[in-house]
Amino acid sequence: SQQGEEDPQALSIQEGENATMNCSYKTSINNLQWYRQNSGRGLVHLILIRSNEREKHSGRLRVTLDTSKKSSSLLITASRAADTASYFCAKSETSGSRLTFGEGTQLTVNP
Amino acid sequence: ETGVTQTPRHLVMGMTNKKSLKCEQHLGHNAMYWYKQSAKKPLELMFVYSLEERVENNSVPSRFSPECPNSSHLFLHLHTLQPEDSALYLCASSQVLEGRTEAFFGQGTRLTVV
Repeated sequence: SQQGEEDPQALSIQEGENATMNCSYKTSINNLQWYRQNSGRGLVHLILIRSNEREKHSGRLRVTLDTSKKSSSLLITASRAADTASYFCAKSETSGSRLTFGEGTQLTVNP
Repeated sequence: ETGVTQTPRHLVMGMTNKKSLKCEQHLGHNAMYWYKQSAKKPLELMFVYSLEERVENNSVPSRFSPECPNSSHLFLHLHTLQPEDSALYLCASSQVLEGRTEAFFGQGTRLTVV
């Protein structure tokens, strides 16, 4: 199974602080993606990092990928209350079209 | 919105009912998916229609039956469901190209089986 671990399961921080979420996986990947989900809604794609990339930025988001450790992290800088949501990593297999999601991290940003 | 529309948004059905969930994508993508999201569990991939092929998750019970009449529409037919099938059902689409598989999700159908 491609499913790995995400940690922490829940994270509560104050506005302005940085939030870091981690994701690990077990086998080879083509790329790894991060998604956000507001309560009871669909998932929204945030950022994709390919297996040959080590770091990627998008606005206040920074994603790193360490293929030797089979892990990735998502950093949200200068967090806002509106960042409160669940964040999921999704692994894309070396071949094929399917994504395998982790269990997610519930982020709460307190105003 | 993401360009993926799911209807209905909410559905309550009895265990003997037959109902269908509908998904439509306006993005010109070549793959569509059904996911099940239950509380405190990872998203479970149920079915994939990619380049007109169907890929199943063998653990999905036969009371769930997908239909993909064309590349823009996807249905999930439901019959004789169980209370444990209550969940958020998410449809997604993607353009499978050079290994890039960003998925665009609909808002989901909240299904309650009574």
